[in-house]
Formats: sequence, structure tokens, C-alpha cells
Amino acid sequence: DAKTTQPNSMESNEEEPVHLPCNHSTISGTDYIHWYRQLPSQGPEYVIHGLTSNVNNRMASLAIAEDRKSSTLILHRATLRDAAVYYCIWDSNYQLIWGAGTKLIIKP
Amino acid sequence: EAGVAQSPRYKIIEKRQSVAFWCNPISGHATLYWYQQILGQGPKLLIQFQNNGVVDDSQLPKDRFSAERLKGVDSTLKIQPAKLEDSAVYLCATRLAGANVLTFGAGSRLTVL
Repeated sequence: DAKTTQPNSMESNEEEPVHLPCNHSTISGTDYIHWYRQLPSQGPEYVIHGLTSNVNNRMASLAIAEDRKSSTLILHRATLRDAAVYYCIWDSNYQLIWGAGTKLIIKP
Repeated sequence: EAGVAQSPRYKIIEKRQSVAFWCNPISGHATLYWYQQILGQGPKLLIQFQNNGVVDDSQLPKDRFSAERLKGVDSTLKIQPAKLEDSAVYLCATRLAGANVLTFGAGSRLTVL
């Protein structure tokens, strides 16, 4: 059964790095891994995506395990504005398989 | 570029009434999704369109939900008759053909009393 698994919630201090894990143990070799985040009362917004290699953009980094069964979203310096629910999504031929999301709490 | 527009933002109806939600995608975005998001849960796909054709509607409760995308641009999602368990945020998302990134609208929050 295709699915992603994420912790329900995580806490981090402001200005510190945050590592958000995701398991996708049955992903196939051509399926992309996406991360989106959802702030309160807003629609989800794109964060980052990747296939095999680690990826960086202005928002975050994505580290993908060599066997592709797991990945980690890295926020290098979390701010209060990063408090949101983060979703790990498995893109199987444009059919998106959503996890339940991790609620990230940032402590000032 | 303009984002994905959805309306209404909020709607309160009584059970057994009907409701319709509207989505205007980003210009040129061929793929359009409707998601249902119940409070505290992740989005659940209801229907996916490619231009004006349906790609996946396997999770759409077809006895009460319907959706259309005339001319491959705007889309409407209708619920008739509504049930209490339909209370949720209905999200529209669109994607450029062949692109990886989805852009979501702000959603339409439905409360069924």
C-alpha cells in the first residue's frame, strides 16, 4: 500500500536547524518526493522536490536516502514564520500520495 | 503571475442543501485538482482534470459530489445534498503540464449544520 509516514509533531527553537523526516519505503525509482507546507488558514505551498540527489533552494534542503526509502527536509535556521504543517508527498506519475503531515512548532 | 482563485472563501449551509465551489486556475495550467481537507488531516484528492478531461475521480463520492471543467479552464465542484461529514476545506490546485510544482488556492471552508 503506497503511503508516506511522518511524525505527528516536532518542536524546535528559533534560529536552530530543523530536520523533518519522512518514510516512503515502497516508492518506485521514478517517483518524485515533494514537500509542501501549510500555514494556518492557507492552502499548501511548495517547498522543495527531488528524485535521487540532495536538493537545495532558498527555502530548504532535501536529503534523500541512497535507497530512497526515506527523506529529510532541512530548514537551516527556523524562524517563527516557519511554524506550519509540513507534508511529505510521493508523486507517482502525477498522482500525489500525501502523508498526514508534521506540525512544526517553533519556540522563541 | 496571479494565483489560483477560489470562491466563496466561506459557506455555511444546512444538511441536505446544495453548494457549489468555483476555481479559476493560473493561466495555462492544464492540470487541476480538487482536494477535501478535513480539520486536522492532510488533503484528500477528490478529482483530477487534465484540460477538460477527468484523469482520476476514484475517490469522489459520485452520489452527491460532481465536478466539471468546461473549456479546460475554470472548474466547479458541487455537493448535493450535503451531509454533516462534508464539513471541510475544499482546495483547488493547478499545475502546468509536465511541471512538478502545484499551486494551491486559499480554499473554500464549508460548514454543514
